[in-house]
Amino acid sequence: QVQLQQWGAGLLRPSETLSLTCAVSGESFSDYYWSWIRQPPGKGLEWIGEINHSGSTKYNPSLKTRVTISVDTSMNHFSLKLSSVTAADTAVYYCARVESGSGYGPLDHWGQGTLVTVSP
Amino acid sequence: DIVMTQSPDSLAVSLGERATINCKSSQSVLFSSNKKNYLAWYQQKPGQPPKLLIDWASTRESGVPDRFSGSGSGTDFTLTISSLQAEDVAVYYCHQYYGDSYTFGQGTKLEIK
Repeated sequence: QVQLQQWGAGLLRPSETLSLTCAVSGESFSDYYWSWIRQPPGKGLEWIGEINHSGSTKYNPSLKTRVTISVDTSMNHFSLKLSSVTAADTAVYYCARVESGSGYGPLDHWGQGTLVTVSP
Repeated sequence: DIVMTQSPDSLAVSLGERATINCKSSQSVLFSSNKKNYLAWYQQKPGQPPKLLIDWASTRESGVPDRFSGSGSGTDFTLTISSLQAEDVAVYYCHQYYGDSYTFGQGTKLEIK
């Protein structure tokens, strides 16, 4: 059974860089794409981007200039960096597995979520 | 981006009654080469991550009760709960994974009447 465990800083100042990591266990890391999604408090879901084991990425165009998703296949980890954060980036951030080796699939396993708050 | 629009925004249904949530995409999410609709439904309860209920528009995930069903094709989709149970109170989201940028519906909050 695949498990995703995520961590990272929960409080940032404006203009800082958000950094989160998600560790995958229990399944073949290289057979899937891996995604980041966020959810502002009380609001809906926003897809941030995804990556596979070879580093092939897709990003949300609205965030593309500030987002970097990377992968460490030796550790079965993938990471999110979001630069120049503002209060609008305050959200619960989730990592998730894309149920597809092609990068087009539903999100079938999710991490527990990390609340990131941006405040002066 | 493909825009996903759900209706209604909120819904109150009596226990044991049918609940129906609609989702409309701004362009077709039916992939012609494999005849699959790239559309999923999720259930989210407070303080929890979303849970995948249905993918490919109508395929129920393992362990999901059979009172949940998905239908539709192209641009119009429906999630139906045939007999509402108390544990079904949640927010439900549709999600398209057809385009290079995934998008979600705004969510439908389902409550007990």
